[in-house]
Amino acid sequence: EAQVTQNPRYLITVTGKKLTVTCSQNMNHEYMSWYRQDPGLGLRQIYYSMNVEVTDKGDVPEGYKVSRKEKRNFPLILESPSPNQTSLYFCASSPNQGLGNYGYTFGSGTRLTVV
Amino acid sequence: QQQVKQSPQSLIVQKGGISIINCAYENTAFDYFPWYQQFPGKGPALLIAIRPDVSEKKEGRFTISFNKSAKQFSLHIMDSQPGDSATYFCAASIRAAGNKLTFGGGTRVLVKP
Repeated sequence: EAQVTQNPRYLITVTGKKLTVTCSQNMNHEYMSWYRQDPGLGLRQIYYSMNVEVTDKGDVPEGYKVSRKEKRNFPLILESPSPNQTSLYFCASSPNQGLGNYGYTFGSGTRLTVV
Repeated sequence: QQQVKQSPQSLIVQKGGISIINCAYENTAFDYFPWYQQFPGKGPALLIAIRPDVSEKKEGRFTISFNKSAKQFSLHIMDSQPGDSATYFCAASIRAAGNKLTFGGGTRVLVKP
């Protein structure tokens, strides 16, 4: 089944304790992206990657890191989490179809609480 | 500054009625306008999308209307069903710029039986 898999689904952590949220896709997609979802703000892009070893900042990158060493994986790293990073996080992937129509496939989300 | 503004924030409609969600954008470089549907506990899923060279696109009960001069687009859900109860997000992107989606704030739709 074509899918984007995130782990964990739920995570409660303490301020300052480094954590990694994993993301893997099995569709051989070039594009991958991380979003955070907050009430009333919709989804905001944190980082995106256009291919292996190619990453760039989205709209809200502060406090996050990413890496893209393999095409299928795109982990999100919080080096020193703070309470304002409490949110619902989504990983998504999309094929590179030039200027054709395309859509993102989203994972099921990771609900992170930082206390 | 939100580049894509979505309204209303929530919407209640009777079964069989029409749900209408509106979005306005600022960046004239946007050239792809998708709508996503999200059920509780799930990630958003692509519902329907339109390019600015088309004024309307229909897929089943879902229709996007696009007004390029007004920089507005809307989603119409015809014959709304209880199963359509979900949160809907409009989005916009520049296809040549790495598929970066900018989302609206979302509309929670409740269809009453």
